[in-house]
Amino acid sequence: DAGITQSPRHKVTETGTPVTLRCHQTENHRYMYWYRQDPGHGLRLIHYSYGVKDTDKGEVSDGYSVSRSKTEDFLLTLESATSSQTSVYFCAITEQMNTEAFFGQGTRLTVV
Amino acid sequence: AQTVTQSQPEMSVQEAETVTLSCTYDTSESDYYLFWYKQPPSRQMILVIRQEAYKQQNATENRFSVNFQKAAKSFSLKISDSQLGDAAMYFCAYRSASTGTYKYIFGTGTRLKVLA
Repeated sequence: DAGITQSPRHKVTETGTPVTLRCHQTENHRYMYWYRQDPGHGLRLIHYSYGVKDTDKGEVSDGYSVSRSKTEDFLLTLESATSSQTSVYFCAITEQMNTEAFFGQGTRLTVV
Repeated sequence: AQTVTQSQPEMSVQEAETVTLSCTYDTSESDYYLFWYKQPPSRQMILVIRQEAYKQQNATENRFSVNFQKAAKSFSLKISDSQLGDAAMYFCAYRSASTGTYKYIFGTGTRLKVLA
C-alpha cells in the first residue's frame, strides 16, 4: 500500500473556525490532490499540487487554500469553516510514471 | 473540460451472477487513462482496473473486465461471479495522459448491492 496518512481522521468543528487537514506521504511522489466526497457528487477536486510550492485550483476551490512546503506534506485549510464544507476529504498522490492515483483513508469533517 | 458520467446511482446483483456498471465520458483528447475504483464501507479507495486509451484490448483483472468503446466514449465494468465482498461504491475516473497536471476526474458513483 502507498504510504499516505491523513490527519485527523475525524473532526467536528464550529462554523467560522479555521481548520487544517494534513496529508503526509512517504512515497516521494510529485503530484498530490485534495478531493471532497459528497453523496450524489462523487469526488470533486479542490486543489492539487505538481511540486513543492506549485499548486493550482480544482473545480470546488472556493473557501479552501493549500500549501506544500515539502514534498511529503500537502495541507488543506478551511479559513472559516461553513456547514457546506461538511464532507469527507481525501488526499491522493501519483507520480509521472504511474497511471493511477493512490488515496489516503479520508477525513470526515463535520462543521456545526 | 472533461466530464465523467455514471448514470446508475444504484445497482443490485444476485450472488454468483454478472453485473455491468456503466460509465461514459467526454473529452477531446486522444490519449488518456480510465479507471474503476471501488470504495467499500471502510471508505478506502481501491483501484479495480485501469485502461489505457491507446490500447485496443479491453483490460481484465480476474473477475473484473471492462468494455472500452473509444469512439462511443464508453467504459463499462463487468463483474462476473459476484461475491458479497463486491458490495461497494464504484467510481469511474478519467485522467489525461497528455498534460502535466494529471488531474483525475470522477463520476458520481454507482452503489452496488450484492444479494445473497
